Amino acid sequence: GDSVTQMEGPVTLSEEAFLTINCTYTATGYPSLFWYVQYPGEGLQLLLKATKADDKGSNKGFEATYRKETTSFHLEKGSVQVSDSAVYFCALQNRPGGNEKLTFGTGTRLTIIP
Amino acid sequence: DAGVIQSPRHEVTEMGQEVTLRCKPISGHDYLFWYRQTMMRGLELLIYFNNNVPIDDSGMPEDRFSAKMPNASFSTLKIQPSEPRDSAVYFCASSLAGTGNSDTQYFGPGTRLTVL
Repeated sequence: GDSVTQMEGPVTLSEEAFLTINCTYTATGYPSLFWYVQYPGEGLQLLLKATKADDKGSNKGFEATYRKETTSFHLEKGSVQVSDSAVYFCALQNRPGGNEKLTFGTGTRLTIIP
Repeated sequence: DAGVIQSPRHEVTEMGQEVTLRCKPISGHDYLFWYRQTMMRGLELLIYFNNNVPIDDSGMPEDRFSAKMPNASFSTLKIQPSEPRDSAVYFCASSLAGTGNSDTQYFGPGTRLTVL
């Protein structure tokens, strides 16, 4: 079945550092890929997504590129801020198969220190 | 513009009691999802509905769990009887099926359930 593997946390960085959170997936066909973010005490919210190979999703300074050859969708940001502290989830959706389910990774907790 | 609404936000109950969690999806959305989040198991999909009809309930842990969607604007997740291992944050999410190959799910704030 479909699965998502993401970098184990927690990750602690200083403000303005470069961020990478790795995500790889296993799926049949051509899934869409997502990054969701969960701030403390809140539900998940979509950060960015990509629906086909070589697409780059971007939002709030975060970027991720859909790499079919390496089955990866790594999240990056050039200069993190304290307000980026949250839990980040990588997910896939294999909707062309008729399935609306999102398959999530285990989440990576990110803490940014001033 | 109201998002997904869940109630209650916090629930503390004793083992053996019935618990009912409620969700109001975003108006016009035709998919509704129930998730459970724990430290040990992460985020798990319990069940999802399309146009009020359950499509996949393979994630429902056991017969103690049941979910209904009597109309397009309301869904419940019931646990009877509750057990301490049911303690978790339960999220409801909704989405609108589009013509593309992906749909964004919008999550509610969650209900934190503690079973003593």
